[in-house]
Amino acid sequence: DSGVTQTPKHLITATGQRVTLRCSPRSGDLSVYWYQQSLDQGLQFLIQYYNGEERAKGNILERFSAQQFPDLHSELNLSSLELGDSALYFCASSPRGGLGLYEQYFGPGTRLTVT
Amino acid sequence: KNQVEQSPQSLIILEGKNCTLQCNYTVSPFSNLRWYKQDTGRGPVSLTIMTFSENTKSNGRYTATLDADTKQSSLHITASQLSDSASYICVVIFSYNQGGKLIFGQGTELSVKP
Repeated sequence: DSGVTQTPKHLITATGQRVTLRCSPRSGDLSVYWYQQSLDQGLQFLIQYYNGEERAKGNILERFSAQQFPDLHSELNLSSLELGDSALYFCASSPRGGLGLYEQYFGPGTRLTVT
Repeated sequence: KNQVEQSPQSLIILEGKNCTLQCNYTVSPFSNLRWYKQDTGRGPVSLTIMTFSENTKSNGRYTATLDADTKQSSLHITASQLSDSASYICVVIFSYNQGGKLIFGQGTELSVKP
């Protein structure tokens, strides 16, 4: 158990809909990262937040957005969902902000299925 | 062509045997290179982290090497166990002030048979 929690574990929704994925980092970690893992694309970095501020951006679509709240939990919002958005979404956390400089601890993931 | 390519795509070995997984990258310089182990349906777990200037890093039965001249990294697993069956992912990371980039390989699927 990494100490990172994600909810929900599974999510099934229809095309065009909007969903919110939630992540709680390990106690004391200030940085949260979001990743998407699909069968054809592998693991892809979406975005990083550090202490409430966006720190680094990866291959995040404009239909997706994220935020980190004062209690350091983070939410990933996915809107106008398409079939291709079906994937495992992972959240990870690390103690500080430097991208890749600190150990990242991954949560169990949220499996999103868009029908 | 992917900037981080792993080989083989999949590998089957017998329990107790050694194996080596390869990661070739085209991007440099970078901040660090990592190897992750990912069990099916679970989040990746870090095995090793190497900076650009390091040549080797060990974590128990896992040893990662890095050759900056040939732009290759390898992960060597000794005395394999059934629990080593997983996907192994190589990641190259650039970190710069207020930002960065992570580039993932597609992974090598390792299956250890009894």
